[in-house]
Amino acid sequence: GENVEQHPSTLSVQEGDSAVIKCTYSDSASNYFPWYKQELGKGPQLIIDIRSNVGEKKDQRIAVTLNKTAKHFSLHITETQPEDSAVYFCAASWAGRRALTFGSGTRLQVQP
Amino acid sequence: EAQVTQNPRYLITVTGKKLTVTCSQNMNHEYMSWYRQDPGLGLRQIYYSMNVEVTDKGDVPEGYKVSRKEKRNFPLILESPSPNQTSLYFCASTTGGGAGELFFGEGSRLTVL
Repeated sequence: GENVEQHPSTLSVQEGDSAVIKCTYSDSASNYFPWYKQELGKGPQLIIDIRSNVGEKKDQRIAVTLNKTAKHFSLHITETQPEDSAVYFCAASWAGRRALTFGSGTRLQVQP
Repeated sequence: EAQVTQNPRYLITVTGKKLTVTCSQNMNHEYMSWYRQDPGLGLRQIYYSMNVEVTDKGDVPEGYKVSRKEKRNFPLILESPSPNQTSLYFCASTTGGGAGELFFGEGSRLTVL
């Protein structure tokens, strides 16, 4: 089955700096790669996703890149703000599959 | 407001005492799923349901049961809870199965003594 590895497990940055979280996956059939943000005491919420027909996707300060050959994808957050502090999860799946496989999570702390 | 509602949010129980965590969604989603979240392990799927009366095991189904008698409800049942089921549980729903946006509830923190 699919295995998703996520690094780093914790990340501390200064406000205004960039943050990068990386994930690798094992199943070459995977073609859907979402990122979820979990704030304290809440359920995860989708912030951005990418499908394998594109290499990069941006949404304001957030971007995701995908390298299908190397089977890795990354989340980039620019100009970080204290409200970006949360746990971020990557995941992988493919159309028709009945589950997302999640990474182990990254706790991002943005220091004011 | 579109939402997934779980109850209870917090529960402390003892080994062997049956409990049910309820989950309800108001988005008319066919697909519902239960996950458990443990430190360093991310979110692992327990059970999922593609529609009413259609359920199947996820990655960590041992010790759990589910039912899907109505489209909106998907309760998680622990027949005889054990301490290794102490965890944070999330219910989620979507229209897209494994390749669509999952909408999560706010979580149920369960402690089994």
